Amino acid sequence: KQEVTQIPAALSVPEGENLVLNCSFTDSAIYNLQWFRQDPGKGLTSLLLIQSSQREQTSGRLNASLDKSSGRSTLYIAASQPGDSATYLCAVRVYDMRFGAGTRLTVKP
Amino acid sequence: DTEVTQTPKHLVMGMTNKKSLKCEQHMGHRAMYWYKQKAKKPPELMFVYSYEKLSINESVPSRFSPECPNSSLLNLHLHALQPEDSALYLCASSPPGGALNTEAFFGQGTRLTVV
Repeated sequence: KQEVTQIPAALSVPEGENLVLNCSFTDSAIYNLQWFRQDPGKGLTSLLLIQSSQREQTSGRLNASLDKSSGRSTLYIAASQPGDSATYLCAVRVYDMRFGAGTRLTVKP
Repeated sequence: DTEVTQTPKHLVMGMTNKKSLKCEQHMGHRAMYWYKQKAKKPPELMFVYSYEKLSINESVPSRFSPECPNSSLLNLHLHALQPEDSALYLCASSPPGGALNTEAFFGQGTRLTVV
């Protein structure tokens, strides 16, 4: 059964720092990996989708990489802002989506 | 339109009530999902519909009954729930697994409280 792990569980940084969130998965037979953002009590907002054949995707200050063979993905956030404070979830996709437990990010002004 | 719409946003129900959650999308997606999320936990898969047929049921109790009446609509019928069923219920849609560009979109969820 696919297991998805996210490290760290929580992260607090001052505004302006660059940071890296990690996601690992046990079964490399995936179609894609998707990063989401979730604000408290809200739904999930899709940030980036990486297909299994791709190595990375970029959107604005966000960059996600995928190393399928080692079962790892990273989400890089450049020049963090207080508005980036949220929980970040990664999910791997085969016929369904399996989520990691998330990284709770706090960016302090 | 990349929106998944869930109604209602909030629901309070007694343990003897019958209620339904509704999810709608008009992106032409043929896979739709129900997830349950408890506070500070990741979403847990409940059901997957592919081409309007139930393809995955993650051993969910029968007091939760999904229905997919057409390719745009997904319902979750609730009956005789327990207080521990209180959670955020999330609906999602995507192209079916294996298709290209299988980005999944989530609704804002229904916050369910069972009293």
